[in-house]
Amino acid sequence: AQSVTQPDIHITVSEGASLELRCNYSYGATPYLFWYVQSPGQGLQLLLKYFSGDTLVQGIKGFEAEFKRSQSSFNLRKPSVHWSDAAEYFCAVGSPGYQKVTFGIGTKLQVIP
Amino acid sequence: KAGVTQTPRYLIKTRGQQVTLSCSPISGHRSVSWYQQTPGQGLQFLFEYFSETQRNKGNFPGRFSGRQFSNSRSEMNVSTLELGDSALYLCASSVGIGGGGTGELFFGEGSRLTVL
Repeated sequence: AQSVTQPDIHITVSEGASLELRCNYSYGATPYLFWYVQSPGQGLQLLLKYFSGDTLVQGIKGFEAEFKRSQSSFNLRKPSVHWSDAAEYFCAVGSPGYQKVTFGIGTKLQVIP
Repeated sequence: KAGVTQTPRYLIKTRGQQVTLSCSPISGHRSVSWYQQTPGQGLQFLFEYFSETQRNKGNFPGRFSGRQFSNSRSEMNVSTLELGDSALYLCASSVGIGGGGTGELFFGEGSRLTVL
């Protein structure tokens, strides 16, 4: 069965600092991988996705993620965090074979001035 | 293009009551998935409907049920409410099952249920 692990429940960074959110997945073949963001009181919005090809994918709001098959990871990065990035971030894995998308538990990002 | 619409946005019920939540997917999307979100548990998959048929189901008791109509709109029902059912219920639509080839889900803003 597919699964996703986000080892950091809470992360606090200073505005302007770089950010990396960790995600590890378990799946037997090449998965589809996603990062979603949820602002308070809102639903989830897709930040970026990986299906195949270039392992470094660019998303919206200046985010990027790198797929590393050898480490079963898909970490999310941003070079300079803005206060508006404070939100909860979810990593997810899916595939047509399993016919469902599985989410990690989420990482809550706090941005301090 | 209108997004995913969930109603009601907020509701308060008491233990033992039942509740029905509604989800209208993006036009042209045939799959609707439901998730329960609680602090510390993340998003727990409830079920997915495609073409009016339940295609996948998560590990929830039978008190949680759903259905999908011919226009792809979906409802979920929770009977005999318990305090632990308090949560944000999110609906997501996609072109096909499990995100339909792209895997991408489009979420509504959720229905926040409080059980007293």
